[in-house]
Amino acid sequence: EAQVTQNPRYLITVTGKKLTVTCSQNMNHEYMSWYRQDPGLGLRQIYYSMNVEVTDKGDVPEGYKVSRKEKRNFPLILESPSPNQTSLYFCASSHPGQMSSGANVLTFGAGSRLTVL
Amino acid sequence: ILNVEQSPQSLHVQEGDSTNFTCSFPSSNFYALHWYRWETAKSPEALFVMTLNGDEKKKGRISATLNTKEGYSYLYIKGSQPEDSATYLCARNTGNQFYFGTGTSLTVIP
Repeated sequence: EAQVTQNPRYLITVTGKKLTVTCSQNMNHEYMSWYRQDPGLGLRQIYYSMNVEVTDKGDVPEGYKVSRKEKRNFPLILESPSPNQTSLYFCASSHPGQMSSGANVLTFGAGSRLTVL
Repeated sequence: ILNVEQSPQSLHVQEGDSTNFTCSFPSSNFYALHWYRWETAKSPEALFVMTLNGDEKKKGRISATLNTKEGYSYLYIKGSQPEDSATYLCARNTGNQFYFGTGTSLTVIP
C-alpha cells in the first residue's frame, strides 16, 4: 500500500531533550515536506526537500532541522524542543512532475502529536 | 508570506443541501491550487489540483473551479451527505512551497 509513515504518533517530552520524528514513504517520491498544525493557523510548512541532499526552509523553520540522506526518509529533528513546539506535525510527499498529470499532489502521513513540557 | 484565506470558517447544513466554500489567494506568481479533505483523526486527502485559469474539476458530488486572474477558487458540494462532514483545506503551491488556508469545517446534519 502506498503510504507515508510517521513515528512516533504521540510523544510527550520535556524542554531541551532532543527528539526526532521519522517520516518514510514507499512511493519513490522526490518531494517531501514537513508541516505543523496549530489551532487557527492552518498547516504551515517547516522544511521541504526536492530530492536527496536537497533541503530548504519553509515558513517556520526555526528550532527544526531536517536531513535527506535517502529518497524514502525525511526525519524532522528538534535539537532542543521548547513548549512553543507543541503541535500536530504532518509529513507529506509528492512526485513533482507535470502539473497537468495531477502530479505534485501531496500524500500525508497520519500525523505526530508532540507535547513539550 | 503569501496568504491563503478561506471562508466561511465553519458551516452547518442539512443533509441534501448543496453548499460551497471560497478560497482566496494572491494572484501573482501562481503555480497551482490544491483542495484537500481532512476528516477528524485522519490525515488530509487530496481532492483536486488545478493549474489553469478557468479550470473545473469534478469528483462525484464535489466540484471545484479556479480563477487565477482574480485569485479565488470555489468548492461545491451537491446534495450534502453526513459523510461529507470534514474540514476542507485549500493550498497555494508556488512550485516548491505550499501555503495552506485555515480550512472550512463542514458539518452535515442528518
